[in-house]
Amino acid sequence: KAGVTQTPRYLIKTRGQQVTLSCSPISGHRSVSWYQQTPGQGLQFLFEYFSETQRNKGNFPGRFSGRQFSNSRSEMNVSTLELGDSALYLCASSSEQGARSNEQFFGPGTRLTVL
Amino acid sequence: AQKVTQAQTEISVVEKEDVTLDCVYETRDTTYYLFWYKQPPSGELVFLIRRNSFDEQNEISGRYSWNFQKSTSSFNFTITASQVVDSAVYFCALSDLATGSARQLTFGSGTQLTVLP
Repeated sequence: KAGVTQTPRYLIKTRGQQVTLSCSPISGHRSVSWYQQTPGQGLQFLFEYFSETQRNKGNFPGRFSGRQFSNSRSEMNVSTLELGDSALYLCASSSEQGARSNEQFFGPGTRLTVL
Repeated sequence: AQKVTQAQTEISVVEKEDVTLDCVYETRDTTYYLFWYKQPPSGELVFLIRRNSFDEQNEISGRYSWNFQKSTSSFNFTITASQVVDSAVYFCALSDLATGSARQLTFGSGTQLTVLP
């Protein structure tokens, strides 16, 4: 099976702009989670989507949003970018079924730089 | 609240040495899951292992072994006969149901392992 794919891999934006990142989960996986990784805060949970519904959300401002499509692909959007949004954004997918239902497999990430 | 502590920020060993990465966790749930991930310089998090709170049996996979002790809330990871390719950042993570989803991971701060030739 192909792994989790994320596009784009690298992105440079300026303050005040908005950005959309995309994630395609492993085939058959319906749960997609997003994480932000920064040197200062480490890895932090953003949100989780399952069957096009947001199931859980981390402690991030409303500028961070996401959605999931019927084919399980997910996008996350950050509006009004701030310098502190510079980070590696990681997407993870997992199966909903069976004993291994919460094993999460991560994509290569999108490295966002805000200037 | 959940918390994962990896007290070792950086570890440096010479190839073929054994190395143990420490992980201490906090949770109020009786049902929880512990994970280890490896992050090489490329950035992708590579899944290594998952344990649930009801299974304290230690596990060995090749040169990797994990020691889970509920009495000390620890889930330590040992690499035997380390190799240069083991150089990476290793993260310990926890999920429980208190967050509302068993898929919401709380990560430790990571341990940078450098294996010198």
